[in-house]
Amino acid sequence: QQQVKQSPQSLIVQKGGISIINCAYENTAFDYFPWYQQFPGKGPALLIAIRPDVSEKKEGRFTISFNKSAKQFSLHIMDSQPGDSATYFCAAPSASGTYKYIFGTGTRLKVLA
Amino acid sequence: DVKVTQSSRYLVKRTGEKVFLECVQDMDHENMFWYRQDPGLGLRLIYFSYDVKMKEKGDIPEGYSVSREKKERFSLILESASTNQTSMYLCASSSGREGDQPQHFGDGTRLSIL
Repeated sequence: QQQVKQSPQSLIVQKGGISIINCAYENTAFDYFPWYQQFPGKGPALLIAIRPDVSEKKEGRFTISFNKSAKQFSLHIMDSQPGDSATYFCAAPSASGTYKYIFGTGTRLKVLA
Repeated sequence: DVKVTQSSRYLVKRTGEKVFLECVQDMDHENMFWYRQDPGLGLRLIYFSYDVKMKEKGDIPEGYSVSREKKERFSLILESASTNQTSMYLCASSSGREGDQPQHFGDGTRLSIL
């Protein structure tokens, strides 16, 4: 079954540091790779997404880096803040259908004040 | 702003009961999804629907069914609840036919089967 491998499972970063989360995917039906952020008691919310006609997309402190040949993409959080403490999920389109996404297993980020 | 509303935040049911989870979205989205979220397993797709009365199985459909009679409403049905269906259930919706649109999630229903 198709998988998206996400690492690390958990991450502790000091305030002001850089948080990096990595995902590796298999074949996809199309190219659109979103990252979701989930706070306790809430559903996941879209954080940032990339369509790989570019290798990098930046929105504020959040950057997606994409390596199509390696089938990998990563989320970088610059100047990490305690408010960034959440669970982060990457997702990749399924190879088998237009609307289906395969989600990574999630990374629990804790930013220490 | 897109709003996806799940009818219950917490639900406790007994083994063998028929359980209904309801989801409503207010943005006229074509696509709706049901996932379950378990620690260490991420989000796994149970069923999705790309139009009224249309449905397709996701990766873990066994023991579940769905209903979409109106565009804004998508129901997940546990035909005969079992303890291994204790989980967080998330509903999502998205627009368009091309797939490259973000999914908008509700806040989930935490279901316990005793």
